[in-house]
Amino acid sequence: DADVTQTPRNRITKTGKRIMLECSQTKGHDRMYWYRQDPGLGLRLIYYSFDVKDINKGEISDGYSVSRQAQAKFSLSLESAIPNQTALYFCATSQTTSPYEQYFGPGTRLTVT
Amino acid sequence: ILNVEQSPQSLHVQEGDSTNFTCSFPSSNFYALHWYRWETAKSPEALFVMTLNGDEKKKGRISATLNTKEGYSYLYIKGSQPEDSATYLCAFNKISGTYKYIFGTGTRLKVLA
Repeated sequence: DADVTQTPRNRITKTGKRIMLECSQTKGHDRMYWYRQDPGLGLRLIYYSFDVKDINKGEISDGYSVSRQAQAKFSLSLESAIPNQTALYFCATSQTTSPYEQYFGPGTRLTVT
Repeated sequence: ILNVEQSPQSLHVQEGDSTNFTCSFPSSNFYALHWYRWETAKSPEALFVMTLNGDEKKKGRISATLNTKEGYSYLYIKGSQPEDSATYLCAFNKISGTYKYIFGTGTRLKVLA
């Protein structure tokens, strides 16, 4: 079984709809991250969480919100989806000790029409 | 704004050829440099983490070097095989207390049989 899972794997939604992407991990890591990947760009950080009570904005948090329901679960929400949020979304986890290697989920391909 | 640049963006090599590509990063406030291998439709997987100037890491036919003073890392693949075809990402951690990652856009390698 995968250590980091994401649901759904693919989603097509309409402009203005609310959508939630879910991430679960069995690695026991405290740190979790949400990234988006667009063609020609590197992975960009949306939000990160260092523990259940710690949520931080990344470089492109506008239009997104997150919830850390438990150590193992970190959800990303698009309150009102827009077409430029069409992207590949990755969840990742990391340890709290060096070297902070990240472990990625399989990705969610989101299309907003 | 920190920039992590990778070159080339893409390359095609013949099976059996050796190849290398570059990751350039800011040389100040360096903490760690990560290399990931990302196959199509899969999650990025960690290859190496390097923290010390002059570090060299090796895994099978793949190796990496690190120069923190001039801000670059090389990834080498010896005797490329078709299964090496993937996008190779590097990511930079700077000393900030937050341990966020700045990703490059990747080098897309295609090994032709």
